[in-house]
Amino acid sequence: DAGVIQSPRHEVTEMGQEVTLRCKPISGHNSLFWYRQTMMRGLELLIYFNNNVPIDDSGMPEDRFSAKMPNASFSTLKIQPSEPRDSAVYFCASSPWGGSTDTQYFGPGTRLTVL
Amino acid sequence: DQQVKQNSPSLSVQEGRISILNCDYTNSMFDYFLWYKKYPAEGPTFLISISSIKDKNEDGRFTVFLNKSAKHLSLHIVPSQPGDSAVYFCAASGTSYDKVIFGPGTSLSVIP
Repeated sequence: DAGVIQSPRHEVTEMGQEVTLRCKPISGHNSLFWYRQTMMRGLELLIYFNNNVPIDDSGMPEDRFSAKMPNASFSTLKIQPSEPRDSAVYFCASSPWGGSTDTQYFGPGTRLTVL
Repeated sequence: DQQVKQNSPSLSVQEGRISILNCDYTNSMFDYFLWYKKYPAEGPTFLISISSIKDKNEDGRFTVFLNKSAKHLSLHIVPSQPGDSAVYFCAASGTSYDKVIFGPGTSLSVIP
């Protein structure tokens, strides 16, 4: 079975450009999470969806970040405009039913570099 | 203010010896704890978990110990193998807490 799919795997862009990261969760999973990993802060939860509805976006750093989940099989995380401090690895994860004790399955991540 | 702390950024252990990774948490609402393992260029994968009604959970070479009064948990790997070299994330959540909070991770190197 395919796991969580993320694209692109690597993205290099210039400051001020729009960046869109994509995620396809595991089929049948009801919850989807976006995380950011940095050396300083480790793995931070940015936002999570349950049944395509955003439940908690308190981790989104600022208005430059937005996330959507138009259907059960696709989600995007957009940064507009991007800044060098956004450089990090962004992970998408999904879980079967979304409870806080549910195992999350992570994608391979997108390494974003903003110059 | 980090609610889940892993104070050792890195750890080196000889193959065959025990690896002990530590984790501290501050929020008494947490009652479920997990460890995830991450290899380079891959996403984290679930390793082992423990509920607060237990103080120990074992799965093969991996054992997690929980000390609720000290708000401390540890992951023991015995014996350590070179393939265990990875970053280990401690995480906490709970039935009355709606999301999982990850620690910053500890990079384990098992030396052959």
